[in-house]
Amino acid sequence: DAGVTQSPTHLIKTRGQQVTLRCSPKSGHDTVSWYQQALGQGPQFIFQYYEEEERQRGNFPDRFSGHQFPNYSSELNVNALLLGDSALYLCASSSRGWNEQFFGPGTRLTVL
Amino acid sequence: RKEVEQDPGPFNVPEGATVAFNCTYSNSASQSFFWYRQDCRKEPKLLMSVYSSGNEDGRFTAQLNRASQYISLLIRDSKLSDSATYLCVVHTGGFKTIFGAGTRLFVKA
Repeated sequence: DAGVTQSPTHLIKTRGQQVTLRCSPKSGHDTVSWYQQALGQGPQFIFQYYEEEERQRGNFPDRFSGHQFPNYSSELNVNALLLGDSALYLCASSSRGWNEQFFGPGTRLTVL
Repeated sequence: RKEVEQDPGPFNVPEGATVAFNCTYSNSASQSFFWYRQDCRKEPKLLMSVYSSGNEDGRFTAQLNRASQYISLLIRDSKLSDSATYLCVVHTGGFKTIFGAGTRLFVKA
């Protein structure tokens, strides 16, 4: 049983560019949440997708957007990258809501 | 005030010691509570859920006090492998998940 998978594992971009990160949830899970984790901090909630809709959003600007596909996989898009967007981006999946979440290994984004 | 606050770390303890972590949350409508463990440069992994009645899993005991909006994690007989960052997690109403900043634990031989 595959757990949560994310791609790519590492990414280097320059300021102003756009990036797309991908996540496949754990088998049987239908809900995907995205988090940003800066060094030395806890994960910060970006948003959650369920039934292909964004149903909750954290305190992140509109530069951060997402999508969920019919197979429950999800993408996180970040436009107009800033140096401060450098972080570990984590995807978590859960079943029928938002209780116990299982995390993927993350994508480490560096913005130069 | 942060929505979820944890004890500042790091905690440095010898093997076999008992260590306790505390966490407070500000939203009284919060509904679910968890402790996650995160190893260096790895993803968080669920350690245990936290219930009002308290729950125990081997050497780990979690407690929730809704009146004081307080969560705790007790680790008995610490092992070297317990060295990690422990994250307090609160699910508020509306599907939002709030993580604390984490408390680092170092267990020494």
